Amino acid sequence: GESVGLHLPTLSVQEGDNSIINCAYSNSASDYFIWYKQESGKGPQFIIDIRSNMDKRQGQRVTVLLNKTVKHLSLQIAATQPGDSAVYFCAENRGSNDYKLSFGAGTTVTVRA
Amino acid sequence: SQTIHQWPATLVQPVGSPLSLECTVEGTSNPNLYWYRQAAGRGLQLLFYSIGIDQISSEVPQNLSASRPQDRQFILSSKKLLLSDSGFYLCAWSIGGDNEKLFFGSGTQLSVL
Repeated sequence: GESVGLHLPTLSVQEGDNSIINCAYSNSASDYFIWYKQESGKGPQFIIDIRSNMDKRQGQRVTVLLNKTVKHLSLQIAATQPGDSAVYFCAENRGSNDYKLSFGAGTTVTVRA
Repeated sequence: SQTIHQWPATLVQPVGSPLSLECTVEGTSNPNLYWYRQAAGRGLQLLFYSIGIDQISSEVPQNLSASRPQDRQFILSSKKLLLSDSGFYLCAWSIGGDNEKLFFGSGTQLSVL
């Protein structure tokens, strides 16, 4: 089975509010984590990534937080917009010597106008 | 800049027919190449990956095969499709070596009837 999972399969958020998408992982050997956004019928798009030597990384309107103690990863989206509606996947590498990614099942985010 | 092309976008095939999905990458050399399958509402399952021409590794036993006849070309094939081969197939590339970040194509929706 997959070692990366998500706490909630769906998230509904009001436009303009902040979104938080959570992800749990179980592989303590993983040292690289990444978030993707997938719109319907399209391939996943890279959002942001983080290595295990960091606990926070910011991009444009997005922040990834990594808590290695509890093996938890989150993606925060500020001022959520209708275009943020999509499925969001977290993924992790299999270990420092294995660069291949394992993906979670995804969280569907729906933005309410 | 690098681009990835994957075709066709949709495909409907009868059970027992052959399959050939093609993926090409432009703007980079010696990429790692990947084929993923995504079942409806599920995460991504790695099928094959390749670190070079004619170097293919299979992740799961299955009815499919992959080939890499050229540096930036990756082909997914089957001699006889099964109903269970239906799904959304994604090609991806990463910078060669142990770089984890994947860039995905637009996907092929395969329906086997």
